[in-house]
Amino acid sequence: SAVISQKPSRDICQRGTSLTIQCQVDSQVTMMFWYRQQPGQSLTLIATANQGSEATYESGFVIDKFPISRPNLTFSTLTVSNMSPEDSSIYLCSVEMGRAPGELFFGEGSRLTVL
Amino acid sequence: QKEVEQDPGPLSVPEGAIVSLNCTYSNSAFQYFMWYRQYSRKGPELLMYTYSSGNKEDGRFTAQVDKSSKYISLFIRDSQPSDSATYLCAMSSPSGGSYIPTFGRGTSLIVHP
Repeated sequence: SAVISQKPSRDICQRGTSLTIQCQVDSQVTMMFWYRQQPGQSLTLIATANQGSEATYESGFVIDKFPISRPNLTFSTLTVSNMSPEDSSIYLCSVEMGRAPGELFFGEGSRLTVL
Repeated sequence: QKEVEQDPGPLSVPEGAIVSLNCTYSNSAFQYFMWYRQYSRKGPELLMYTYSSGNKEDGRFTAQVDKSSKYISLFIRDSQPSDSATYLCAMSSPSGGSYIPTFGRGTSLIVHP
């Protein structure tokens, strides 16, 4: 299993600003995943972050809007840039680790509200 | 059509009821089928997983997969107020050495005493 800490847990932001979310894992992992969970919507994968290489973004998500850093095997950040109210969401960090293929461990999420 | 369809609910049941949660999917390549449980203000956590078609039981929970119908279910027997949460189905197939799951929208379950 893995223990994942995310900061901030919640924030209220102004339109046009940027916010960086931090994710710390208690063990070394190759891949870290960033998800978005909008109200009433499914968990949507934003990008996969590998240490030492550029993040891989899913369709509909771009690096300019969601830059990701992965400086080591236990830490990653996701920045939500130039925020608009449509970016109000829960952002979750996760790692693939466990008994089943596809078993993900999640942080508690960062709840962002953009005014 | 979304890859995974799940009714968001909410589903409200009395304590002790049998709960049935369901998902349908369109991608026949999915091999692993999972149910995650998410309590309010928490991240999802894996509850059960099955490989291919069949049933799997774990205590009060039974997961069922019917690949021919592209339909999966989670049954909860003797439901408790502590089962109140959002249940997300998820399914995966191998891609680049990983099995990143595709999630449904989640069904909100409320078990009232």
